[in-house]
Amino acid sequence: DVKVTQSSRYLVKRTGEKVFLECVQDMDHENMFWYRQDPGLGLRLIYFSYDVKMKEKGDIPEGYSVSREKKERFSLILESASTNQTSMYLCASKRSFGANYGYTFGSGTRLTVV
Amino acid sequence: QKEVEQNSGPLSVPEGAIASLNCTYSDRGSQSFFWYRQYSGKSPELIMFIYSNGDKEDGRFTAQLNKASQYVSLLIRDSQPSDSATYLCAPSGGSYIPTFGRGTSLIVHP
Repeated sequence: DVKVTQSSRYLVKRTGEKVFLECVQDMDHENMFWYRQDPGLGLRLIYFSYDVKMKEKGDIPEGYSVSREKKERFSLILESASTNQTSMYLCASKRSFGANYGYTFGSGTRLTVV
Repeated sequence: QKEVEQNSGPLSVPEGAIASLNCTYSDRGSQSFFWYRQYSGKSPELIMFIYSNGDKEDGRFTAQLNKASQYVSLLIRDSQPSDSATYLCAPSGGSYIPTFGRGTSLIVHP
């Protein structure tokens, strides 16, 4: 089974801190994604990457950046955390080919910014 | 970007009934779809994939795809309280940009 591992399950940070959320997948997937999920708003795509060192903005990239230096690792960075970034963050990965291969999600990181 | 619409619910059904969850989409290029189940506080998990018009059955779950009308649905027969969750649909393939519906909350009451 594909595993997508997120480094922290719960995280509490202070306003203005720089925050790193790490995601590692173990099945050599080309594509990796970062979402945030808020009640009533569903899954919203922040950034995604289809190859090492490649990144594309999603629907809500403001206030975030990403890094993909190795194929298996995709990091989300909150440059200066704010309270409106309190949310559940989900990482996912997917193969590039084969439409029947779905997204595999990590268990999520619940971030609270105080 | 693909637009996917779902009724947020909650959809409440009694135990043993059929639950019907629907999803409409705007991109005619979408050829196949996933259904995900998400329990409260957990991440989404893939439960069904459908790529052709008609029905696909897997145990108590049946996915239906109608490309002409641009909707995809998920039927859950003999609903159980353990089916209570949020169900998300998402197109597969095509653009790299994945779009999920907001999900429909299903409550199965004893």
